[in-house]
Amino acid sequence: KAGVTQTPRYLIKTRGQQVTLSCSPISGHRSVSWYQQTPGQGLQFLFEYFSETQRNKGNFPGRFSGRQFSNSRSEMNVSTLELGDSALYLCASSLAGRSSYNEQFFGPGTRLTVL
Amino acid sequence: AQKVTQAQTEISVVEKEDVTLDCVYETRDTTYYLFWYKQPPSGELVFLIRRNSFDEQNEISGRYSWNFQKSTSSFNFTITASQVVDSAVYFCALSEVGNAGNMLTFGGGTRLMVKP
Repeated sequence: KAGVTQTPRYLIKTRGQQVTLSCSPISGHRSVSWYQQTPGQGLQFLFEYFSETQRNKGNFPGRFSGRQFSNSRSEMNVSTLELGDSALYLCASSLAGRSSYNEQFFGPGTRLTVL
Repeated sequence: AQKVTQAQTEISVVEKEDVTLDCVYETRDTTYYLFWYKQPPSGELVFLIRRNSFDEQNEISGRYSWNFQKSTSSFNFTITASQVVDSAVYFCALSEVGNAGNMLTFGGGTRLMVKP
């Protein structure tokens, strides 16, 4: 069974640009969550999508947005990039349901560098 | 609000030593789940264990063991006879059932270096 895949793996952008990251969950998983990992703030929850609806949202500005498609694939978008957005963005998928006890499987991440 | 604290930012041991990684959490929920993840240099988080708040039994899996104590809000992780391949960053995480969906609150992580 294929794992969670994220594209691209590496990305370099300049301040003010926007970026779109993609995540394909494990087949059959309907929940996709996004996390930002930085040396200063650690791992922080961005948002979660389930059945094309945002179910949970972390404490990030509106420049960070996401969506989920009917095949459960998800994208996240960051507009007007700032230097502080440089981070490893991790996507995680889990089985359907409200349950917070579903194991989340993480992808390898997208390393975003903002110059 | 929920919070997870891993006071040890970095630990260095020599191969075959035992090592314990500490995790202390805060939550107002009575039902919650605790997790440990391993992050090797490749960056991908690897799931190690999940424990729910009603199950305080310790767990052992090979060289890994976990000690969950609600009285002290701790969920510590011990690696017995450490190996070089155990070198990684380890994260403790909390998920509250009160949240509508999946949302993990992570600790700051502990970088474990096992030297040969």
